[in-house]
Amino acid sequence: GAGVSQSPSNKVTEKGKDVELRCDPISGHTALYWYRQSLGQGLEFLIYFQGNSAPDKSGLPSDRFSAERTGGSVSTLTIQRTQQEDSAVYLCASSLGSGRGDYEQYFGPGTRLTVT
Amino acid sequence: LAKTTQPISMDSYEGQEVNITCSHNNIATNDYITWYQQFPSQGPRFIIQGYKTKVTNEVASLFIPADRKSSTLSLPRVSLSDTAVYYCLVGDIGTGGFKTIFGAGTRLFVKA
Repeated sequence: GAGVSQSPSNKVTEKGKDVELRCDPISGHTALYWYRQSLGQGLEFLIYFQGNSAPDKSGLPSDRFSAERTGGSVSTLTIQRTQQEDSAVYLCASSLGSGRGDYEQYFGPGTRLTVT
Repeated sequence: LAKTTQPISMDSYEGQEVNITCSHNNIATNDYITWYQQFPSQGPRFIIQGYKTKVTNEVASLFIPADRKSSTLSLPRVSLSDTAVYYCLVGDIGTGGFKTIFGAGTRLFVKA
């Protein structure tokens, strides 16, 4: 079956521009996560959705970052006024739920963002 | 949230058993222990998950002592394709949802 998909796979943007990154989770997965991974580093948690609501936004690094999820499915991560330090791979994951035993996360291939 | 500590890197040879230990001293009652594997240019992939004692699946075993302050991922007879980064993490499965915190992981190098 289809896994988690993300688009675009690569994005090069100029400093100061806004970017939108899209994530299509596995059908039926109610939980969705965004992470950021800089080169050679571990994953940095950004935000988590349960359905369309985001109970945990604590990982968003600044108010330039926002995310939304509509219809309990597709999610968009928006970065406004991009900075060079925003360059990283942005990974999306989804899981069946967030309760006991059903929160194995399935990851997408990521979007590589380069801010020049 | 419980933080984890793992070795930064490990080396092994093909055919050997590899054990990667993770420390999580402040693990909470509701936390599960999960391990993920990540290859370059790919997202992490779930390997195994457990709460206590021992869990085994087709690719790995997970050993968790009674105090749950550490866990050990065991990979039997590794091959070159097991070269990857392995992440240990603990998660709160309470009603507020499951928030996953990935540390820096352990880079495993398997040599021929």
